[in-house]
Amino acid sequence: DAGITQSPRHKVTETGTPVTLRCHQTENHRYMYWYRQDPGHGLRLIHYSYGVKDTDKGEVSDGYSVSRSKTEDFLLTLESATSSQTSVYFCAISGPTGGGDNEQFFGPGTRLTVL
Amino acid sequence: QKEVEQNSGPLSVPEGAIASLNCTYSDRGSQSFFWYRQYSGKSPELIMFIYSNGDKEDGRFTAQLNKASQYVSLLIRDSQPSDSATYLCAVSSSGNTPLVFGKGTRLSVIA
Repeated sequence: DAGITQSPRHKVTETGTPVTLRCHQTENHRYMYWYRQDPGHGLRLIHYSYGVKDTDKGEVSDGYSVSRSKTEDFLLTLESATSSQTSVYFCAISGPTGGGDNEQFFGPGTRLTVL
Repeated sequence: QKEVEQNSGPLSVPEGAIASLNCTYSDRGSQSFFWYRQYSGKSPELIMFIYSNGDKEDGRFTAQLNKASQYVSLLIRDSQPSDSATYLCAVSSSGNTPLVFGKGTRLSVIA
């Protein structure tokens, strides 16, 4: 158990509303990632973080922003949700506190529906 | 664009047989290779990783890597119905760079 939680686990929202998903880890991993998973597309990287306040864009970053103000939390924000952002969102972590090992471990996921 | 290709399946094998899952990747500079298992409605679970050419065995699972052919495979021996899941191949170039995932192969083990 990599000690990763995601909240909320399920959310239904309306087009145009802001949404924030939270990823929380308890083991001080340096790297954190947000992916979305859609039928026919597999897992695609949205944003990732390589340290507090250090983030970078992934393959499908448009319409999403992230923040990491402390090691344990990585927030994903949809500024104005659209139906195309209906998906399952997974957070992942990697890297022990001292660096090295790049195996990624996933949180339980958040199922987001935008009506 | 870095790509990872997998047959979508479904791959059906009888219980007790060997299941062979294959993956090719486009980035010749890739250094780290991972296999995840994902049950329906659940998150991906890391089952194997391999960094060097050759075979790596862990219980009933064997990962095989051939960097010259840009090919990685996963063998599951003595397949069980509980192995029925989607298997995701993932590749990264170095260190903790983000993974690029294939779309997964759905495996069905028939009792």
